[in-house]
Amino acid sequence: DVKVTQSSRYLVKRTGEKVFLECVQDMDHENMFWYRQDPGLGLRLIYFSYDVKMKEKGDIPEGYSVSREKKERFSLILESASTNQTSMYLCASILPAGQGNTEAFFGQGTRLTVV
Amino acid sequence: GENVEQHPSTLSVQEGDSAVIKCTYSDSASNYFPWYKQELGKRPQLIIDIRSNVGEKKDQRIAVTLNKTAKHFSLHITETQPEDSAVYFCAASKRASGTYKYIFGTGTRLKVLA
Repeated sequence: DVKVTQSSRYLVKRTGEKVFLECVQDMDHENMFWYRQDPGLGLRLIYFSYDVKMKEKGDIPEGYSVSREKKERFSLILESASTNQTSMYLCASILPAGQGNTEAFFGQGTRLTVV
Repeated sequence: GENVEQHPSTLSVQEGDSAVIKCTYSDSASNYFPWYKQELGKRPQLIIDIRSNVGEKKDQRIAVTLNKTAKHFSLHITETQPEDSAVYFCAASKRASGTYKYIFGTGTRLKVLA
């Protein structure tokens, strides 16, 4: 059973702080994703990574960066948190394309509040 | 740009009735269409999916239909039960950069009234 674990369920940070959201998966998936979920806007892709040290911008990368130093861990970084980054953040992982199963497995989410 | 429109945003049905959620996608290169269910406070989980070479797929009370020409796909839930109450997301996915890039719809909050 695939497990995708996000390090925190709830975070409260101050404006201007540097924030790290961590995600770990235990199924040797190469592809990992960070989304933010906002009411009425669904899930919007921030960044994704298809291999260690590889990263690609999603649809809303502004204000975020990512780090993928190890295959199992994908970190989302808010360099200087702002109130408009208050949101639910979801991490997901999938097998590489061509390996059949393209189901995305999600973490439990991190609800970040920036005050 | 690529987008997926999902309707309705909220849907209330009586227990036992059917529920239908519709999505329209813009990118004709999309070839995989999953549906996710997110219960309150929980992570989204895949409930059914369909690939572009198939027009319909059914799994017990849940079915998905795909019209590639019109770029429409729909989720059908029959004999709804209170435990079907959740937010449902559709997605359109295509191969990109060695992985599959998902574009999600905005979600439908389904309430099944007992």
